[in-house]
Amino acid sequence: ETGVTQTPRHLVMGMTNKKSLKCEQHLGHNAMYWYKQSAKKPLELMFVYNFKEQTENNSVPSRFSPECPNSSHLFLHLHTLQPEDSALYLCASSQEATSSYNEQFFGPGTRLTVL
Amino acid sequence: AQSVTQPDIHITVSEGASLELRCNYSYGATPYLFWYVQSPGQGLQLLLKYFSGDTLVQGIKGFEAEFKRSQSSFNLRKPSVHWSDAAEYFCAVGIKAAGNKLTFGGGTRVLVKP
Repeated sequence: ETGVTQTPRHLVMGMTNKKSLKCEQHLGHNAMYWYKQSAKKPLELMFVYNFKEQTENNSVPSRFSPECPNSSHLFLHLHTLQPEDSALYLCASSQEATSSYNEQFFGPGTRLTVL
Repeated sequence: AQSVTQPDIHITVSEGASLELRCNYSYGATPYLFWYVQSPGQGLQLLLKYFSGDTLVQGIKGFEAEFKRSQSSFNLRKPSVHWSDAAEYFCAVGIKAAGNKLTFGGGTRVLVKP
């Protein structure tokens, strides 16, 4: 596997289900991100992890719970979602450095549908 | 806070014609600027970036972009469009002081007519 991978690619769940999205980066990066892409809104940053520590929570509802067990893996745990949470969830990674800015590399996304 | 505007939601262009996508940003200093492309059902792929130096930057797939400080713009161009360029294009701004965060524009969907 190369780059950033995400599983599953598609997920349909009911509002009472609990599911998890997985992201893995094979680039040796130390920062990972979750974004939400809805039909009517620009890409929204949800969470940022640097060196496995969460450094950003962009006012995301608690029904979304991120987990970063190591610098290569990032999860998004979902529970009690609402239909408006249906969206494409994108994971990205980058090499965070104090002296430079480095671009983010994106995975293919998980298309989530909440019924 | 920084913001990014892509004024055109949709653009239709004939194959072989030129393409220009507009991007304007709002930020007090020069940010890091990016163009990403998203094909249907796919994630985002980086086309090009501007960090400093020459204001005309070359990217992949024959794209280029020009940074104009006076206009706070970073427009994307391609001289001759191919049918495979049909996709959605996103301009993004990165601010080092805000961590490695990116702020995206709303995107421009490009349709290519044969």
